Amino acid sequence: QVHLVESGGGVVQPGGSLRLSCAASGFTFADYGLHWVRQAPGKGLEWVAFVRHDGSDNYYVGAVKGRFTISRDNSKNTLFLQMNSLRPEDSAIYYCAKDADYKGAGSWLASWGQGTLVTVSS
Amino acid sequence: DIVMTQSPDSLAVSLGERATINCKSSQSLFYSANNKNYLAWYQQKPGQPPKLLIYWASTRESGVPDRFSGSGSGTDFTLTISSLQAEDVAVYYCQEYYSTPALTFGGGTKVEIK
Repeated sequence: QVHLVESGGGVVQPGGSLRLSCAASGFTFADYGLHWVRQAPGKGLEWVAFVRHDGSDNYYVGAVKGRFTISRDNSKNTLFLQMNSLRPEDSAIYYCAKDADYKGAGSWLASWGQGTLVTVSS
Repeated sequence: DIVMTQSPDSLAVSLGERATINCKSSQSLFYSANNKNYLAWYQQKPGQPPKLLIYWASTRESGVPDRFSGSGSGTDFTLTISSLQAEDVAVYYCQEYYSTPALTFGGGTKVEIK
């Protein structure tokens, strides 16, 4: 059974940084791409970033490009999201999600973590 | 960029009645090389992460009750709950994966009991 557990959220001032982690189990971590998806309070879902199964490439939504970095450590079954220059509009629950496509370039999101809350406020 | 538009924003349906949610994409999600539509549907209950219901527009995820069905092709898609149960109260989202790895979600449709 796939299990994804996010951590690292919290309250940070505008301009600050946070590093989110997502610990994975229940599947062969190195075989699947992974995504971060966020949800602002009371709002809908927004895709944030994707990293390929081997970490060879990554992609971002325009709003976070140049500020966020997605990465993974396949030896530790862990996904990361380094968030710099945070803005109030980045406040959201951040979910990590497993892509359904074996060694693919992105598809539907088969499994989700419970999320970690990031609040950017002075 | 592909834009996904859901309608209605919310709907109230009596228990046992049919609920229909629409999703329209700004460009076709149909890929002729494999005859598939690159669209998924999710259910999100309060305080929980989204749960995958349907992929390839009409393929039900394992364990999803058969009262949930997906249909449509190209730019117009529908999620139907054939007989609404109390546990189906949730927000439902469509998501395209035609433009992978970037993904786009619809704005969501809230389903309530009338």
